[in-house]
Amino acid sequence: SQQGEEDPQALSIQEGENATMNCSYKTSINNLQWYRQNSGRGLVHLILIRSNEREKHSGRLRVTLDTSKKSSSLLITASRAADTASYFCATDAGSARQLTFGSGTQLTVLP
Amino acid sequence: GAVVSQHPSRVICKSGTSVKIECRSLDFQATTMFWYRQFPKQSLMLMATSNEGSKATYEQGVEKDKFLINHASLTLSTLTVTSAHPEDSSFYICSARDSHGGYTFGSGTRLTVV
Repeated sequence: SQQGEEDPQALSIQEGENATMNCSYKTSINNLQWYRQNSGRGLVHLILIRSNEREKHSGRLRVTLDTSKKSSSLLITASRAADTASYFCATDAGSARQLTFGSGTQLTVLP
Repeated sequence: GAVVSQHPSRVICKSGTSVKIECRSLDFQATTMFWYRQFPKQSLMLMATSNEGSKATYEQGVEKDKFLINHASLTLSTLTVTSAHPEDSSFYICSARDSHGGYTFGSGTRLTVV
């Protein structure tokens, strides 16, 4: 079953602006991951943040994790048209270590 | 980096026929593979988890007799959609977990049942 909810469902911004997506989940986790999916394609792993971490950076990506609120955010700075895609958070929880995906955010970056 | 090859990328089949989708880990051994289904504009829903050499574990609501999963080796898992119907039309994606716990996704298979 789907564990996480993401908001917004859709986000449209101008090139150069920052984009922030939020993810909430329900159970304790081992880690939380963010993925990107271009239309009709597979998923590309962006970044992983462990349950004992609060913030992580990778290039133009910044991820935060608040385990007390069971929430995470993904910030993409200085967005580009090529960042247009769907973004999903996924939680790795329990001993089965399977990923459970959030509902996704469709990001559109206008040139 | 780790690569998972998924084939076919696109398949159209007639209602009532069966379709097999393959997922191969190319440069690592996958102890566990996962199969997801994604409907248009929706998220990925886990269908089943397969471990090499044992029976797959199916999520609630997924018919094991309809979606046959075989994970006979550490580099290959297959999903067979049996007696496909139009409502089975979807995007199917596999994922493999390596021995270090990392996840790599296949490029997906677009199944259309006519």
